[in-house]
Amino acid sequence: ETGVTQSPTHLIKTRGQQVTLRCSSQSGHNTVSWYQQALGQGPQFIFQYYREEENGRGNFPPRFSGLQFPNYSSELNVNALELDDSALYLCASSFAGSSYEQYFGPGTRLTVT
Amino acid sequence: TQLLEQSPQFLSIQEGENLTVYCNSSSVFSSLQWYRQEPGEGPVLLVTVVTGGEVKKLKRLTFQFGDARKDSSLHITAAQPGDTGLYLCAGRGSTSYGKLTFGQGTILTVHP
Repeated sequence: ETGVTQSPTHLIKTRGQQVTLRCSSQSGHNTVSWYQQALGQGPQFIFQYYREEENGRGNFPPRFSGLQFPNYSSELNVNALELDDSALYLCASSFAGSSYEQYFGPGTRLTVT
Repeated sequence: TQLLEQSPQFLSIQEGENLTVYCNSSSVFSSLQWYRQEPGEGPVLLVTVVTGGEVKKLKRLTFQFGDARKDSSLHITAAQPGDTGLYLCAGRGSTSYGKLTFGQGTILTVHP
């Protein structure tokens, strides 16, 4: 069984740029959620995708957007990067209809300078 | 807005001591999960509790879900240096999707 994978591991971007982060869900899972974790804090929910559509969204601006593909992999796009976007971005996969247990990938560390 | 208050924020103990981490909310959660996270890695799921009053044991770790499903605790018996890490509680509300609301975490350090 393949776990959740994310790429890239680390990324450095300049304020105002755009970034795309990628996630492959665990085999058998059909739902992907994205979280932002600032240093020293718990993860904050960005949004969730199910059947290639956004299925719920946290308190993040529209410049945070995503996609889910037919193979259940997903992308997180962030436009007009700000310094406060520097964080660990976590992807979690789950199977809708179960207890929604979410399994996390290792994360992408984004630094905005 | 659902919030989870986790305490204590930091815990530094000696090997062999017992400890308890608390997770409290004014909101009801349909389930609550506990995760452990190492630096630079993603959270690893330890347990999910679903029923009010439920108690689950995982070796030296005991997890309890409050009767009203608003709070939870994690108790570690005879802590070991390998238990060092960030412990996170996360609750799922009653919405149709699986958004998790996380506590701010407890950084546990176990000294040999």
